Amino acid sequence: QVQLVESGGGVVQPGRSLRLSCAASGFTFRSYTMHWVRQAPGEGLEWVAIISFDGSNKYYADSVKGRFTISRDNSKNTLSLQMNSLRAEDTAVYYCARDQSSDIWGQGTMVTVSS
Amino acid sequence: QLVLTQSPSASASLGASVKLTCTLSSAHSTFAIAWHQQQPEKGPRYLMKLNSDGSHSKGDGIPDRFSGSSSGAERYLTISSLQSEDEADYYCQTWGTGIRVFGGGTKLTVL
Repeated sequence: QVQLVESGGGVVQPGRSLRLSCAASGFTFRSYTMHWVRQAPGEGLEWVAIISFDGSNKYYADSVKGRFTISRDNSKNTLSLQMNSLRAEDTAVYYCARDQSSDIWGQGTMVTVSS
Repeated sequence: QLVLTQSPSASASLGASVKLTCTLSSAHSTFAIAWHQQQPEKGPRYLMKLNSDGSHSKGDGIPDRFSGSSSGAERYLTISSLQSEDEADYYCQTWGTGIRVFGGGTKLTVL
């Protein structure tokens, strides 16, 4: 079935790095724009980064610009988010989602930035 | 600036209907949106894409009790025959080139 599965979350100290992955299955991954969305504890949804279907265009929220990098491997049906210089305010559940309307969501992976 | 505005909370009785509202910034009144449901301790679930003319396309398995409509810059989600499992946060979302925007969410309480 159509599915997105995130992995790579964990506890990390401020200033350190973490890489999240999102494995896609059940659809033609290379045909879709993908993005990352996060949700801090008790808060709403916040868009983080977008990547075009072929990886040629990438966009970032101001809150992560210069620190996070979105990428994809269409041969492996995988979306990634490299997070550098992590801050306490990056603590959140991170979701990957498909297409403009976020018509498919993953189950999320928790990232905690704490010393 | 592309902005979506939602009321923070709503409530309705079991078996009744409720209409949630999402308002687009005035310069973006023709934009389509998506509605998402987030039940407690779960991830978001796509409900539907809703166009400015009120036409909508629902996600797989979304009950007929969920419907959408539009008027000007407002986009609505109507849930009829409310059930206890409808108690959740509801988010609207829209998009442009290189941007995704979420509303602040409406917490629906089923009484």
